[in-house]
Amino acid sequence: AQKITQTQPGMFVQEKEAVTLDCTYDTSDPSYGLFWYKQPSSGEMIFLIYQGSYDQQNATEGRYSLNFQKARKSANLVISASQLGDSAMYFCAMREVTSGTYKYIFGTGTRLKVLA
Amino acid sequence: DAMVIQNPRYQVTQFGKPVTLSCSQTLNHNVMYWYQQKSSQAPKLLFHYYDKDFNNEADTPDNFQSRRPNTSFCFLDIRSPGLGDAAMYLCATSRERGTKETQYFGPGTRLLVL
Repeated sequence: AQKITQTQPGMFVQEKEAVTLDCTYDTSDPSYGLFWYKQPSSGEMIFLIYQGSYDQQNATEGRYSLNFQKARKSANLVISASQLGDSAMYFCAMREVTSGTYKYIFGTGTRLKVLA
Repeated sequence: DAMVIQNPRYQVTQFGKPVTLSCSQTLNHNVMYWYQQKSSQAPKLLFHYYDKDFNNEADTPDNFQSRRPNTSFCFLDIRSPGLGDAAMYLCATSRERGTKETQYFGPGTRLLVL
């Protein structure tokens, strides 16, 4: 079963506008971590933001914020004031530990294009 | 300032000819990971080392092996590359294995199999 779902294969946003990238996840463990990574065309995965399952507040890092809705199992990334350099692939990922087994799962990604 | 280094960035090999990809880190992290990422797909974890403890994913083919001779270095060996093994191979590290631990990725090695 798909554990991380990113339903938007591609998104466009106008420069300086905000954009939301969707991510839903599936787990039965109470303890897990959710991450967003950016992958430019060069290939390197760049960490953006983290949300823990027990965190009460939504995570924020500069222009990035995470809209965490635990009951709906969604962890959407919001990028405010989009810049041309934000054009990249964005991956949502989850880490969980189940019966001593460590799981690291990535979604299929959303390709974001920022328009001038 | 590079923290996770992968060499080479591009590797061309022949069908069936063994190839080794290398990864080194300056972060002194306990955990090192190898991911395979095919074009337009999500990265897929192949295995990880927690210190010297090797952890293989259940669906990783036997054709893929790994070595970690010390904390800083980790190698990915592909014993007999097939055309389907052409992909980007990403190395990553994390301080520990817990759910809070961020992974730091290298720039990747793009493997081409002829």
